[in-house]
Amino acid sequence: QKEVEQDPGPLSVPEGAIVSLNCTYSNSAFQYFMWYRQYSRKGPELLMYTYSSGNKEDGRFTAQVDKSSKYISLFIRDSQPSDSATYLCAMSVGNQGGKLIFGQGTELSVKP
Amino acid sequence: DVKVTQSSRYLVKRTGEKVFLECVQDMDHENMFWYRQDPGLGLRLIYFSYDVKMKEKGDIPEGYSVSREKKERFSLILESASTNQTSMYLCASSSGITTNEKLFFGSGTQLSVL
Repeated sequence: QKEVEQDPGPLSVPEGAIVSLNCTYSNSAFQYFMWYRQYSRKGPELLMYTYSSGNKEDGRFTAQVDKSSKYISLFIRDSQPSDSATYLCAMSVGNQGGKLIFGQGTELSVKP
Repeated sequence: DVKVTQSSRYLVKRTGEKVFLECVQDMDHENMFWYRQDPGLGLRLIYFSYDVKMKEKGDIPEGYSVSREKKERFSLILESASTNQTSMYLCASSSGITTNEKLFFGSGTQLSVL
């Protein structure tokens, strides 16, 4: 069993839809939870970062962490074609200078 | 603007060749990383370095080595390339041992080993 599981998709939605992306994990020591966005032929870029449990909102994006269920989510409201990308969840136990464990990535396509 | 530059976008090599992948960052970051990205497997850490001349094994170091002679440069070496090392290689950097959430990635090198 992988330490972090993420449905690879692909996921196709119409413009304006609410998108829900999810990851589950098995290591209860994870404390830092991140979402990266990767456009085609580019490296990943950090989109959202959350420490421990709770919600964090940034514009159309909301990240949720439920440590009791070992489950994290990324919601995209009013999705746009420019949101079409691969979304990777990542997590770490902390204080390890970038040793992240990544999910497989979910490929999202937002159709005009 | 923050920048991590990988020297090649695409590389084609033959089995048994020695391959060098170069990465340079211009942010004066202490930490540098090499990941490989494969469909269905996500990103997996090969090696990382917290300082010049220091290196640590990641999760899949077999068949790879690294070199960090200068702070800004981190090289990944495939001593004898094999077909199962065909992959996208991503270099990343971050500053400080506690700011582990902010990794800056290069655009990647797509390596094909024939």
